[in-house]
Amino acid sequence: DSGVTQTPKHLITATGQRVTLRCSPRSGDLSVYWYQQSLDQGLQFLIQYYNGEERAKGNILERFSAQQFPDLHSELNLSSLELGDSALYFCASSVEGDGTEAFFGQGTRLTVV
Amino acid sequence: GESVGLHLPTLSVQEGDNSIINCAYSNSASDYFIWYKQESGKGPQFIIDIRSNMDKRQGQRVTVLLNKTVKHLSLQIAATQPGDSAVYFCAENRVQGAQKLVFGQGTRLTINP
Repeated sequence: DSGVTQTPKHLITATGQRVTLRCSPRSGDLSVYWYQQSLDQGLQFLIQYYNGEERAKGNILERFSAQQFPDLHSELNLSSLELGDSALYFCASSVEGDGTEAFFGQGTRLTVV
Repeated sequence: GESVGLHLPTLSVQEGDNSIINCAYSNSASDYFIWYKQESGKGPQFIIDIRSNMDKRQGQRVTVLLNKTVKHLSLQIAATQPGDSAVYFCAENRVQGAQKLVFGQGTRLTINP
């Protein structure tokens, strides 16, 4: 158990809908990272937050947004969902915001039908 | 473009043998590297990391070697066990640019009995 909690574990929704994925970082970690993993693909960096502020942005679509709350949990919002958005979405956390010792949650499997 | 890549997508070894998984990176500014293990349906699990001021680091049954001259990283697993079967990713922490942890495509390690 990495200490990073993601909910829900599975999510099935229709095209055009909006969903919110939640991540609770490990105790003491200030930084949260979001990654997308499509079938048989590597992990694509989406966005990073550090202590409530956006730190870095990767290949995140405009239909996607995220935020980190004062209690340091983070939410990833995916809207106007398309079939191609079906993937595993992982959250990772680390103490610092420099990517060192980043630990991952178990992911949310999103299926868009 | 810059990327972190793996030499082989799949690797099969006999149980008890040693495994070596390779990774090439192209960003000379990267200062930190992590190896992750991902089992089916689970999140990436932190295995071992190494900073660019080191060329070798050992953990329990694992060793990571870093050759900055040729921008090459390897993960050695000693006396592989069935539980080592997974996809292994190397990740590069980029100091510059928007992205922090950049992942390679992964190598699937299969242990034969």
